[in-house]
Amino acid sequence: SAVISQKPSRDICQRGTSLTIQCQVDSQVTMMFWYRQQPGQSLTLIATANQGSEATYESGFVIDKFPISRPNLTFSTLTVSNMSPEDSSIYLCSVEGQGHYNEQFFGPGTRLTVL
Amino acid sequence: GIQVEQSPPDLILQEGANSTLRCNFSDSVNNLQWFHQNPWGQLINLFYIPSGTKQNGRLSATTVATERYSLLYISSSQTTDSGVYFCAVEAGGTSYGKLTFGQGTILTVHP
Repeated sequence: SAVISQKPSRDICQRGTSLTIQCQVDSQVTMMFWYRQQPGQSLTLIATANQGSEATYESGFVIDKFPISRPNLTFSTLTVSNMSPEDSSIYLCSVEGQGHYNEQFFGPGTRLTVL
Repeated sequence: GIQVEQSPPDLILQEGANSTLRCNFSDSVNNLQWFHQNPWGQLINLFYIPSGTKQNGRLSATTVATERYSLLYISSSQTTDSGVYFCAVEAGGTSYGKLTFGQGTILTVHP
């Protein structure tokens, strides 16, 4: 398995501002993933973050809105830029666990409310 | 892309009852996982089960990859089982590591 922490756990922000979410893993991993869960909805993949290269974004998500950094193999950040109330969601990072299987493990999430 | 459908969308049980949750997927998969999301939003790993059958206490899961479905069984349900259950798959091909989630089953267990 993998132990993943996220900061902040929750935040309330004003529209037009930006928030950076941190994800820390207890072991080195090649890929890290960022997901969004809008209220009452399922999880949707935002992007894949690889160390040493640009993040790969899924359809409907762009770098200007969700810039991602991946400075090393245990850490990543996701910024939610120029926020609007529609960005109110839980944001989660995930990684594959160590070992033979490609089981995914998720961080505790960051609950964001935009006023 | 791959489609994942879960049923039923909502399920209400009395404590002690058994239940079966279903996950259908539209294409071959490299990975299939079941998660339980607790009221605080934390995703708890239940099973990694791209094929076959596994059991963990009162929970068990079966995936029939050739028929593109998976089942999660909950026996002797408890109030702490309440929450949302998600099925998520990693499609074959170039989707390495990327999970597609179903819409979830909201389970409520009454005492």
